[in-house]
Amino acid sequence: DQQVKQNSPSLSVQEGRISILNCDYTNSMFDYFLWYKKYPAEGPTFLISISSIKDKNEDGRFTVFLNKSAKHLSLHIVPSQPGDSAVYFCAAKRAGSQGNLIFGKGTKLSVKP
Amino acid sequence: EPEVTQTPSHQVTQMGQEVILRCVPISNHLYFYWYRQILGQKVEFLVSFYNNEISEKSEIFDDQFSVERPDGSNFTLKIRSTKLEDSAMYFCASILNRALDHEQYFGPGTRLTVT
Repeated sequence: DQQVKQNSPSLSVQEGRISILNCDYTNSMFDYFLWYKKYPAEGPTFLISISSIKDKNEDGRFTVFLNKSAKHLSLHIVPSQPGDSAVYFCAAKRAGSQGNLIFGKGTKLSVKP
Repeated sequence: EPEVTQTPSHQVTQMGQEVILRCVPISNHLYFYWYRQILGQKVEFLVSFYNNEISEKSEIFDDQFSVERPDGSNFTLKIRSTKLEDSAMYFCASILNRALDHEQYFGPGTRLTVT
């Protein structure tokens, strides 16, 4: 039961260019969508979120776009830096849940100098 | 910066044994969570805990699992009789208030290996 899907297991980008990570979901009851970043031997770290009532949220180099009609969200990182190399998890929270985050499988981003 | 800590970092146990995984959430946080990640798979929610009660649990969190906040700082996950398929990374997370329950602070995880 994959309610949150990240179809690209990996992505390689040149430093300074844009990284675009994609995520699809199936459940219309999600009210928040998140991106978490994970380095090896560490837990996931919250990066950015977007409410289901918005279509864009920006925080510095990171922007998340939500297309509700397509049930699709994306994370843009501009410009990409080598320190951004990590696994990025898309996650969603269902309205009314007690903080139960549903994660995708992750996309491993490699930013090459 | 305050952080969630977890001990041990790696636990090896034999099938059928009981294990207790320990977490120290951020000190003023009130809501606590356990997740697990089986190798190569996605992070999965196990349980949420608030005010000394389970507020939500997943299908994974069966009678073999229990959680406890035995004192003001620790939050534990107990697996009564471990199975091979319990081998995974277990992450603890916490938040201050429910309005921000999508922005959870995760610990570094405990790798549980059941042999």
